Amino acid sequence: AQTVTQSQPEMSVQEAETVTLSCTYDTSENNYYLFWYKQPPSRQMILVIRQEAYKQQNATENRFSVNFQKAAKSFSLKISDSQLGDTAMYFCAFMKPPGTYKYIFGTGTRLKVLA
Amino acid sequence: DTEVTQTPKHLVMGMTNKKSLKCEQHMGHRAMYWYKQKAKKPPELMFVYSYEKLSINESVPSRFSPECPNSSLLNLHLHALQPEDSALYLCASSRLGRGGYEQYFGPGTRLTVT
Repeated sequence: AQTVTQSQPEMSVQEAETVTLSCTYDTSENNYYLFWYKQPPSRQMILVIRQEAYKQQNATENRFSVNFQKAAKSFSLKISDSQLGDTAMYFCAFMKPPGTYKYIFGTGTRLKVLA
Repeated sequence: DTEVTQTPKHLVMGMTNKKSLKCEQHMGHRAMYWYKQKAKKPPELMFVYSYEKLSINESVPSRFSPECPNSSLLNLHLHALQPEDSALYLCASSRLGRGGYEQYFGPGTRLTVT
């Protein structure tokens, strides 16, 4: 069975600084998808970034980028130029296609951006 | 339109009440999901509908009864709930297919069982 581990329950970063959130997972599958979701205090989950395991290139989305290390089963999220609006709970999620459509979520990292 | 809407935003119900949660999306997604989320925890999957048919039931107690009347609408009927069922109930939707399609989440219904 797949598992997802986020080892940092809470983190803080100064505004405009860079922070990296870690995520590791365990799977025997070769083809799968990884996601980072953000859940601000208002509670709506928002997709931050996704990565397809068969793509070697790391995904980027504006200030958000990932470091995907397939052999190490690691999928960390880097947030550059942190903003107060980045304060949220961040969940890493694993999905094995096709057909299951089930996410395996990590336990989350609570990130606080300090002014 | 990339929005999933949920009503009501808040719901307080007694253990003998019957109530329903509603979720709607107009993105043409053919998969819809119900999750339960406790404070500071990740969402826990309850049900998945694909093409309006129930495809996954994560051993959820029968006091939760899902319904998918059409491809845009998802309901969760609640009956004889327990206080431990108090949580945030999230709805999500996604495309179907061989790709790893991301899920779009609604804002949730905050349920309190008294």
